Amino acid sequence: AQKVTQAQTEISVVEKEDVTLDCVYETRDTTYYLFWYKQPPSGELVFLIRRNSFDEQNEISGRYSWNFQKSTSSFNFTITASQVVDSAVYFCALSERRGSTLGRLYFGRGTQLTVWP
Amino acid sequence: DVKVTQSSRYLVKRTGEKVFLECVQDMDHENMFWYRQDPGLGLRLIYFSYDVKMKEKGDIPEGYSVSREKKERFSLILESASTNQTSMYLCASSPTGAREVFFGDGTRLSIL
Repeated sequence: AQKVTQAQTEISVVEKEDVTLDCVYETRDTTYYLFWYKQPPSGELVFLIRRNSFDEQNEISGRYSWNFQKSTSSFNFTITASQVVDSAVYFCALSERRGSTLGRLYFGRGTQLTVWP
Repeated sequence: DVKVTQSSRYLVKRTGEKVFLECVQDMDHENMFWYRQDPGLGLRLIYFSYDVKMKEKGDIPEGYSVSREKKERFSLILESASTNQTSMYLCASSPTGAREVFFGDGTRLSIL
């Protein structure tokens, strides 16, 4: 069965520090998708990234970067030079394949990131 | 822009009431989902639907039912609300063949 583990429940950092959020997943599928979402205090889920299982290239988007390693079943997320506005709950998720489309998402329990000024 | 609209942002109901949470998407998506979010537990799937009039149980369907009479609307029903159903409920939709999932803004439901 699919499973996503975010071992870090809460992380606190001071502004400008770098921070890495860990995500480990389990799946028997050979084709799958991994996601990161941000949930600010207002509650809506903000999509950050999607990565498919065949693409192990790391990705950088501004201060955000993602490290996908199939060998360790991990999809870690790093924020460089953190800012107060980064404070949120971050979710890692795994999608099963259903034919040619995405199936349901399996979410980790989330990591509460607090960035102090 | 794809829009997934949940009928209420905040809702307060009483124990034993029948509660309807409505979700509408405007992009003709086949797939729709209801998740429940609780602190420390992440998002858990309640029910989902891959087509009109179809429904499948997710991980925590007990105490809930759903209705999908029209493609754009997916309703979550609490048959007899209980205090342990106080939670944040998130609806999502996705089109067949695509790699995107779109979420509504969520409904914070309190059962008193």
